[in-house]
Amino acid sequence: GDSVTQMEGPVTLSEEAFLTINCTYTATGYPSLFWYVQYPGEGLQLLLKATKADDKGSNKGFEATYRKETTSFHLEKGSVQVSDSAVYFCALSDRGNYGGSQGNLIFGKGTKLSVKP
Amino acid sequence: DVKVTQSSRYLVKRTGEKVFLECVQDMDHENMFWYRQDPGLGLRLIYFSYDVKMKEKGDIPEGYSVSREKKERFSLILESASTNQTSMYLCASSHGAANTEAFFGQGTRLTVV
Repeated sequence: GDSVTQMEGPVTLSEEAFLTINCTYTATGYPSLFWYVQYPGEGLQLLLKATKADDKGSNKGFEATYRKETTSFHLEKGSVQVSDSAVYFCALSDRGNYGGSQGNLIFGKGTKLSVKP
Repeated sequence: DVKVTQSSRYLVKRTGEKVFLECVQDMDHENMFWYRQDPGLGLRLIYFSYDVKMKEKGDIPEGYSVSREKKERFSLILESASTNQTSMYLCASSHGAANTEAFFGQGTRLTVV
């Protein structure tokens, strides 16, 4: 079945450092890809998404490019801030595995990022 | 602003109790989901509903049931709570079309003692 693998955490960086969180996927067909962020004590929020190959999603200085040839969707940010400390989840949309409908998400295990001042 | 609301942020229940977790969305979404989040395991799908009165088992449905009598409301039921069901529970909703993102509630941290 479809799956998502993302780098293990935790990741600890100093403020203004460059961030990469790796994400690779296995899927039949052409899924959409997402990055979600979870701040302490909160639910998940969509950070960015890409719906087809070579699309680049971007938001709040974060970027990720949908690479079909390497089945990857790595998250990057050029200069992290303390406020970026959170858990980041890579996800893909499942196509019709459940009940004939589409839209179920399959998540990676999450990567905890801590940014120190 | 789109909203998914879970009825409780924190719950403490006793072993063997019947527990109801409620989730309401105001976006007229077809799909609703219940996930469980545990350290090192990420999010695991418990149940999924793509229409009123319709439900599908996810990856870990054992010990849980669900109810969707109205489009906006999706309830997760622990028939007889056990300590291994202590966890963070997250509700989400999305449109029925493909490639759409899910919107999450704030989560319910359930402790079973």
